[in-house]
Amino acid sequence: KAGVTQTPRYLIKTRGQQVTLSCSPISGHRSVSWYQQTPGQGLQFLFEYFSETQRNKGNFPGRFSGRQFSNSRSEMNVSTLELGDSALYLCASSLAEEEQFFGPGTRLTVL
Amino acid sequence: GQSLEQPSEVTAVEGAIVQMNCTYQTSGFYGLSWYQQHDGGAPTFLSYNALDGLEETGRFSSFLSRSDSYGYLLLQELQMKDSASYFCAASYNTDKLIFGTGTRLQVFP
Repeated sequence: KAGVTQTPRYLIKTRGQQVTLSCSPISGHRSVSWYQQTPGQGLQFLFEYFSETQRNKGNFPGRFSGRQFSNSRSEMNVSTLELGDSALYLCASSLAEEEQFFGPGTRLTVL
Repeated sequence: GQSLEQPSEVTAVEGAIVQMNCTYQTSGFYGLSWYQQHDGGAPTFLSYNALDGLEETGRFSSFLSRSDSYGYLLLQELQMKDSASYFCAASYNTDKLIFGTGTRLQVFP
């Protein structure tokens, strides 16, 4: 069974630009969650989608948004990028909340 | 709010036993998971405790005490490959999985 895939793996953007990250979950998993990981803050929950609906949202500004498609694939978008948005963005899919399967992440660098 | 506390770093030698602790907020708590993350890699699931007590999976054991809002991950017969960051993550009735800031384990020969 294929694991969670994320594209692209690396991105370099400049302040003010926007970015879209993509995540394909494990086949059969309908829940997709997104996390931001930075050295000082650990994994911060961004949002969770289930059956195309946002089920939960973390404490991030409205510049961070996401969506899920009917095939469970998910995208997250960050608009008006700031230097502080530089991080590893991890996507995870699951059947049960407590056991999440993570993708390799997208490393975003904002210059 | 819902936050978890973990020591930032633990060091040990090969063959030893190490315990990594995690304290969490009680309100709405369901259960505690543990994840391992090697440098440059993705977090991988290790274990989950919903009830008090010890869960054992090979060299790894995880413990939960709901009355103390506390859990730990125990690694036995440490190997160099166990050097990684270990995160506890709490499930709450808000359907969110909240991660701790992680403990970096360094195993020395």
